[in-house]
Amino acid sequence: QQQVKQSPQSLIVQKGGISIINCAYENTAFDYFPWYQQFPGKGPALLIAIRPDVSEKKEGRFTISFNKSAKQFSLHIMDSQPGDSATYFCAAIRNNDMRFGAGTRLTVKP
Amino acid sequence: NAGVTQTPKFQVLKTGQSMTLQCAQDMNHNSMYWYRQDPGMGLRLIYYSASEGTTDKGEVPNGYNVSRLNKREFSLRLESAAPSQTSVYFCASGKLAGEAGEQFFGPGTRLTVL
Repeated sequence: QQQVKQSPQSLIVQKGGISIINCAYENTAFDYFPWYQQFPGKGPALLIAIRPDVSEKKEGRFTISFNKSAKQFSLHIMDSQPGDSATYFCAAIRNNDMRFGAGTRLTVKP
Repeated sequence: NAGVTQTPKFQVLKTGQSMTLQCAQDMNHNSMYWYRQDPGMGLRLIYYSASEGTTDKGEVPNGYNVSRLNKREFSLRLESAAPSQTSVYFCASGKLAGEAGEQFFGPGTRLTVL
């Protein structure tokens, strides 16, 4: 049973558009919510992360929105670029136990 | 500064064979992790070591053993490989205090069990 549900599985966006990936979690004990970016043949790399006491965090073109009551969080990529084409994973962590969503393959068309 | 390194990069085993995946980090991190990545399932935690001398089970520990050799090195052993263990294995390290979710991943080992 996956503790973090992620959607969509794949996403195609035009260059300059907004990419939105959604995640939902079940365990309210999770206390940190990172997003990882993975390029083919590479390990995941931390993109941006948020704590549950914050509703939004922005770093450059990347924004996390967090809804604690709904147990949902999302990643918004503004002005999407072909170089953003990768697989994105949301995750939720408590202590050292990190649970990942299944991933979203993002393709940004030029 | 190499970050997290893993060996080997690729491995093919026959059912029943054993092998050890090696991982080392040079960032002086306290915690280290082993994940497996399967299509459509994201990454799943196999084992982790919060500090030198300690190890704990993650989400999918069956069929695996780990050793935290020292602060830098954390190995994953398959005693009797099964086709269900065909996967890409990632080692990661992270800070224990502060940003708990900031884990740094190695390049992965692609394992095929025939």
